[in-house]
Amino acid sequence: KAGVTQTPRYLIKTRGQQVTLSCSPISGHRSVSWYQQTPGQGLQFLFEYFSETQRNKGNFPGRFSGRQFSNSRSEMNVSTLELGDSALYLCASSRTTGGRADEQYFGPGTRLTVT
Amino acid sequence: AQTVTQSQPEMSVQEAETVTLSCTYDTSENNYYLFWYKQPPSRQMILVIRQEAYKQQNATENRFSVNFQKAAKSFSLKISDSQLGDTAMYFCAFMTATASNFGNEKLTFGTGTRLTIIP
Repeated sequence: KAGVTQTPRYLIKTRGQQVTLSCSPISGHRSVSWYQQTPGQGLQFLFEYFSETQRNKGNFPGRFSGRQFSNSRSEMNVSTLELGDSALYLCASSRTTGGRADEQYFGPGTRLTVT
Repeated sequence: AQTVTQSQPEMSVQEAETVTLSCTYDTSENNYYLFWYKQPPSRQMILVIRQEAYKQQNATENRFSVNFQKAAKSFSLKISDSQLGDTAMYFCAFMTATASNFGNEKLTFGTGTRLTIIP
């Protein structure tokens, strides 16, 4: 079974631009979560999607948004990029059978550099 | 809000030795899950071990075991017979569990412990 895939793996953008990152979950997984990893703030939860609905959102500004498609693939978008948005963005998927927390499987991440 | 604290930013140990990584957490919840994740250099994060708070028995996975002290809100990871491949960042993480667990697929991570296994 293929793992979680994220594209692109590396991205360089300039301040003020916007960016879209993509995540394909493991086949059969319906929940997709996004995390931001930086040396200063560590791993922080961005949001989680299930059946095309955002169920949970972290404490990030509205410039960070996401969506999920009917095939469970997810995208996240960051508008008006700031230097502080430079980070490794991780996507994780899980089966979410309900009533029990399933393991989250992480992708390799997208390394975003904002100049 | 839950918090997870890892007080050891870095540790190193000789190959084949045993090492224990510390993690404490704070929550008002009674039902939750605790995890240890491993992130090798430039590689994907993978789950090492998980513990359900309602289970008193400590989880074990081969050379990895935990010491879960619910009253003390402590969740340490012991790695026995350490190997060079264990070199990685280790993150302790917390997830709330409700009756349905609906909408709670959110992991709260500690700041991590960088573990180096010395040959």
